[in-house]
Amino acid sequence: GESVGLHLPTLSVQEGDNSIINCAYSNSASDYFIWYKQESGKGPQFIIDIRSNMDKRQGQRVTVLLNKTVKHLSLQIAATQPGDSAVYFCAENTGTASKLTFGTGTRLQVTL
Amino acid sequence: DAEITQSPRHKITETGRQVTLACHQTWNHNNMFWYRQDLGHGLRLIHYSYGVQDTNKGEVSDGYSVSRSNTEDLPLTLESAASSQTSVYFCASSESSHKETQYFGPGTRLLVL
Repeated sequence: GESVGLHLPTLSVQEGDNSIINCAYSNSASDYFIWYKQESGKGPQFIIDIRSNMDKRQGQRVTVLLNKTVKHLSLQIAATQPGDSAVYFCAENTGTASKLTFGTGTRLQVTL
Repeated sequence: DAEITQSPRHKITETGRQVTLACHQTWNHNNMFWYRQDLGHGLRLIHYSYGVQDTNKGEVSDGYSVSRSNTEDLPLTLESAASSQTSVYFCASSESSHKETQYFGPGTRLLVL
């Protein structure tokens, strides 16, 4: 499959452990954030989103935390599974248009 | 099920040739986007459209063009392919409102020799 980034920061976790992937954003005007998962050879897949009027949102096994004070976003994955191995991107929306700005991503490796 | 598709999935072409990459979505989304993904750069926006007959340049639009003649399709054309345009190209779509998730196609891997 394709390689989306040979020099991406990598997080290695053991199966069953919790994972935390971090993302710093630079624009204090950003008010909508999304986490995507990208497996090798596939397009980015939506995981969870959060708007700036919230600081936490939970999905199935995933939680996104937003700290607007320090412009930091995190994705927590509970009980990490081998199928969670992928590259994870955060994306932010700034202003009134529908465009997103993407981070470069973090590779999550799940070890057995 | 509604979906977004891209074709071809893989393409090899020669420098100077015109190439068109297809993107088709069945969600009836007004917004459509084209990105390229390269090592060390993440996803970069090439062109986008907010509806039929609307097109806009993104951050890396030089050498690319798009047209939107209907809601479902946003073809991306490389007017004269260059080796620097070797990349993986992703199409995405989203609903009309401003703060909505973009859904991505499977990508097209393009090699320009």
